[in-house]
Amino acid sequence: ETGVTQTPRHLVMGMTNKKSLKCEQHLGHNAMYWYKQSAKKPLELMFVYSLEERVENNSVPSRFSPECPNSSHLFLHLHTLQPEDSALYLCASSPDVGRGQNTIYFGEGSWLTVV
Amino acid sequence: AQSVAQPEDQVNVAEGNPLTVKCTYSVSGNPYLFWYVQYPNRGLQFLLKYITGDNLVKGSYGFEAEFNKSQTSFHLKKPSALVSDSALYFCAVRDNFNKFYFGSGTKLNVKP
Repeated sequence: ETGVTQTPRHLVMGMTNKKSLKCEQHLGHNAMYWYKQSAKKPLELMFVYSLEERVENNSVPSRFSPECPNSSHLFLHLHTLQPEDSALYLCASSPDVGRGQNTIYFGEGSWLTVV
Repeated sequence: AQSVAQPEDQVNVAEGNPLTVKCTYSVSGNPYLFWYVQYPNRGLQFLLKYITGDNLVKGSYGFEAEFNKSQTSFHLKKPSALVSDSALYFCAVRDNFNKFYFGSGTKLNVKP
């Protein structure tokens, strides 16, 4: 139990589907993140939210749409994805995006396969 | 440019032997350094971090890491490896602008 819960753990979707990944953190943190993990590549930071406000968007295609309704929940809405988007999507949280010594805590990840 | 390098894709070690997983970084200013472990089909778990103070940091599961400022390294170590330590290990650095940079990961194989 990491304090960061992601659902679903596995998702298979077609290129024309619309789906969403959900993340919930139970740690009282103010910052939440989406990362993409592809095989043999460094972790890619996608989005950062601080107190429900998006503070970073790392040139992510618009077919990925984040939503942060409150500081405990983060969604990643997916539509018209491509097969190369298949990866492990990791949600994470930290106490505060603005303090360097803060530790970032990850969820178990959502395995996404686009067919 | 800020970066983290894990020069070994894979490290093999026999159970009971000491292990080292290497990490070097390039970050402006004073870095905050982290190690994470990822078991198969799981997310990343925090192991330990260096913020300031003693260069030798102790973390979870008997792991420790040594910060070497002159060599800009933060190698992960354990005196006696266990088969259950087999996993993917990630080094990360957080710069003074509060951005995290992760290495590409090192797969540790501990054989009985």
